[in-house]
Amino acid sequence: DIQMTQSPSSLSASVGDRVTVTCRASRDIRAYLAWFQQKPGRAPKPLIYAASSLRIGVPSRFSGSGSGTDFTLTISSLQPEDSATYYCQQYVDYPLTFGGGTKVEIK
Amino acid sequence: QLQLQESGPGLVKPSETLSLTCSVSGASVISHPYRWAWIRQPPGGGLEWIGTIFSSGTTYYNPSLMSRGAMSFDTSKNQVSLNLISVTAADTAIYFCARRNAVTTNAIAHWYFDVWGRGTLVSVSS
Repeated sequence: DIQMTQSPSSLSASVGDRVTVTCRASRDIRAYLAWFQQKPGRAPKPLIYAASSLRIGVPSRFSGSGSGTDFTLTISSLQPEDSATYYCQQYVDYPLTFGGGTKVEIK
Repeated sequence: QLQLQESGPGLVKPSETLSLTCSVSGASVISHPYRWAWIRQPPGGGLEWIGTIFSSGTTYYNPSLMSRGAMSFDTSKNQVSLNLISVTAADTAIYFCARRNAVTTNAIAHWYFDVWGRGTLVSVSS
């Protein structure tokens, strides 16, 4: 199985801050990576696929980068509505696997 | 607009079988090239992929389920079903169904979970 490791597990930042979440795969997954945002009591919402392609309707302050084993989700200017848990997920091979999540809180 | 709605028993006794359905509106479950998946999330925990069924009926399951899971279609109701046998407390979770759809980027197809249901909570307890 491909293990997906996210860091940090949680962070607290102020509105307007630049926030970075990292995701590391246990082997090369090329760009077969998606990022999801989940708010309490809601289903995960897809943000990014192909490591860096922003899904239509997702604010441009979100961006993704990386390839191979190391990936990054960046929020360029944190907004109050961005308080959520973020998950990465690889889809290059079965079993499909998710990272453990990063909880982003607003100071 | 595609919508997914999970339904299930809410409470299941240990060692029994959990049966869930995902009702799909806005697309046929056997439309090529869609794929459908079940994903679960224990209370306060992370996401775990359970399995995927292709429009052809081909299935893939997470080995962590130890061959306890089975997915199928009910085409008359446009539903995707999940049966999980011999459940234990460890199967207590919110169960989501989701569609995998392909987006082509740089001539490469990226199959990601683009639409999710709201999820249904299943508790395993006597």
